[in-house]
Amino acid sequence: EVQLLESGGGLVQPGGSLRLSCAASGFTFRNYAMTWVRQAPGRGLEWVSAITGSGGSTNYADSVKGRFTISRDNSKNTLYLQMNSLRAEDTAVYYCARDRPLSGWFFDCWGQGTQVTVSS
Amino acid sequence: DIVMTQSPLSLPVTLGQPASISCRSSQSLVHSNGNAHLNWFQQRPGQSPRALIYKVSNRDSGVPDRFSGSGSGSEFTLKISRVEAEDVGVYYCMQGTDWPLTFGGGTKVEIK
Repeated sequence: EVQLLESGGGLVQPGGSLRLSCAASGFTFRNYAMTWVRQAPGRGLEWVSAITGSGGSTNYADSVKGRFTISRDNSKNTLYLQMNSLRAEDTAVYYCARDRPLSGWFFDCWGQGTQVTVSS
Repeated sequence: DIVMTQSPLSLPVTLGQPASISCRSSQSLVHSNGNAHLNWFQQRPGQSPRALIYKVSNRDSGVPDRFSGSGSGSEFTLKISRVEAEDVGVYYCMQGTDWPLTFGGGTKVEIK
């Protein structure tokens, strides 16, 4: 069974840092691009960042560029999101999701999400 | 950035009746490969998003055939032929044609 399990969320002060992890199982992780999507309280979905299967190419939303870094460790089947210089507007549930190859960035499997709260 | 606009914001539907959600993009979603990378996701209350339809009209595995997608260029539609109670939730379109990837604001489907 394909599973994605996020962890690492929590309460952090503005300007602080957090690293989210997403542990993948049930599929050949290195063969899939992965992405992070977030959802602020009561709001819609916002794409955050994506990374290819090899980790050789990454993309970011303008709202996080220069502050967040996506990475992966294919030997550990784990996706990461390093979040620095956090702001109140980064408060959200963060989901990791798997991209189905050749489907135009179709996220066919999602984790349960991890809550990030940025507040003093 | 490509802006995705969904309508309506809220859609009250009677059980067993059809529902239709519109999604428009600020520019054509036709990729250089000739396909339009327009995808649909469902988010039931309290749950993570779920994959529904990719590249305009292809249902993901396990998605009931009462869900269908159509459209081209910059105008797209998600239809539910007969709404069931489990279809309640928010539906999002998303474009995967150009960076940054962008979602529509969502359409909330509820039962009248």
